[in-house]
Amino acid sequence: IVMTQSPLSLAVTPGEPASISCRSSQSLLHSNGNNYLDWYVQRPGQSPQLLIYLGSQRASGVPDRFSASGSGTDFTLKISRVEADDVGVYYCMQALLTLYTFGQGTRLEIK
Amino acid sequence: EVQLVESGGAVVQPGGSLRLSCVGSGFTFSRYTFNWVRQAPGQGLEWVANIHVSSTRRYYADSVKGRFTISRDNVDNSVFLQMNNLRDEDTAIYFCARASPPDGDYPPFRFWGQGTLVLVSS
Repeated sequence: IVMTQSPLSLAVTPGEPASISCRSSQSLLHSNGNNYLDWYVQRPGQSPQLLIYLGSQRASGVPDRFSASGSGTDFTLKISRVEADDVGVYYCMQALLTLYTFGQGTRLEIK
Repeated sequence: EVQLVESGGAVVQPGGSLRLSCVGSGFTFSRYTFNWVRQAPGQGLEWVANIHVSSTRRYYADSVKGRFTISRDNVDNSVFLQMNNLRDEDTAIYFCARASPPDGDYPPFRFWGQGTLVLVSS
């Protein structure tokens, strides 16, 4: 499954919203009704961190400024009010098939 | 606190072999699925392999199948990645990642180690 993100980079003013899109080459909707789409962030110099799983569920400890939606092949990650700590590269990833695949990553910078 | 600590990264010549280790602590190691994920310099993330609780279920990315072997030792709380016939394109930071919840495999990368660098170069 090929994952395609857009944009590949964006610069956002603190306090403003940000949105990242992710498209999969085939539907990630399982017969159990769940979308197996995760979002990760890799902050500078750090290991990646799980933000969102099952398409829209925030991982524990993730601020509610982060939200995600979508189903099938089209998904979106939104940050309601960007903060300086949000700088990093955001990846979507499909987990429908065990041969997990990531998007190219979207680099978020602060203006 | 969940901790994953990788080791074993080194400089190795093309065609050579290397064994990476990942030690887990702060949880019941034997109940979790583990993955290796790599990141080439300046590039994105690529899943490499995973091993389930029973060790009978192991999966590999096409790019490493037949060359890499994942294994685990539940007594020593360790997961390993044996890498043979290394190529230039295997140069990367290799991360160990643990799935959640226990006895399940999703989400696959709930916790991550800090990574270990493998450099394939002559």
